[in-house]
Amino acid sequence: QSALTQPASVSGSPGQSITISCTGTSSDVGIYNLVSWYQQHPGKVPRLMIYEVIKRPSGVSNRFSGSKSGNTASLTISGLQAEDEADYYCCSYAGISTWVFGGGTKLTVL
Amino acid sequence: QVTLRESGPALVKPTETLTLTCTFSGFSLTTSGMCVSWIRQPPGKALEWLALIDWDDDKYYGASLKTRLTISKDTSKNQVVLTMTNMDPVDTATYYCARTGAYGSGELPFDYWGQGALVTVSS
Repeated sequence: QSALTQPASVSGSPGQSITISCTGTSSDVGIYNLVSWYQQHPGKVPRLMIYEVIKRPSGVSNRFSGSKSGNTASLTISGLQAEDEADYYCCSYAGISTWVFGGGTKLTVL
Repeated sequence: QVTLRESGPALVKPTETLTLTCTFSGFSLTTSGMCVSWIRQPPGKALEWLALIDWDDDKYYGASLKTRLTISKDTSKNQVVLTMTNMDPVDTATYYCARTGAYGSGELPFDYWGQGALVTVSS
């Protein structure tokens, strides 16, 4: 159960789109469509933004979207806004009721 | 309304055993497909999934800490307890409990979180 690999940081200007990648293995991301994404503002609790690769919970903006190809999942945020600046974590089911998180990506809105 | 709240000591000494309690409301851990997990986050670092207990009292642990962790539940009190033995300064972290669904249950993963409990390990 090694942590999923995410870029340490990404940045974008307001209105632009950014994509955060999340690379796992054929034992987690590659085999299960159970990748989720969490947004965490400083000092706050993580918030579920995407689940089952592409689904958005009620209340999450449609500017957030997810996808997956092979062992890599991605989170795309379109129309960047200042409030999107936060840390983002991916998470994947890894079998037998176990889960693994990514190392986190700090998003800076320039 | 679903809520979770962690409680436990803010400071533990090296080699001691940590016991954390998650008290929840708004859902039942006797409902098929329902689970509660513990997740930790060292200061400035990433989230790490630690353990999960399901409605059927099955327990699962992360590989790296498996030998030190025990998770249990008291459904009458709506509580889940995590114990971690042989605490070390590297275990200093905010410990969260979160509701999640079992594989194939249709429930959302980690959709509700407690506020977190900061545990510092120091002599």
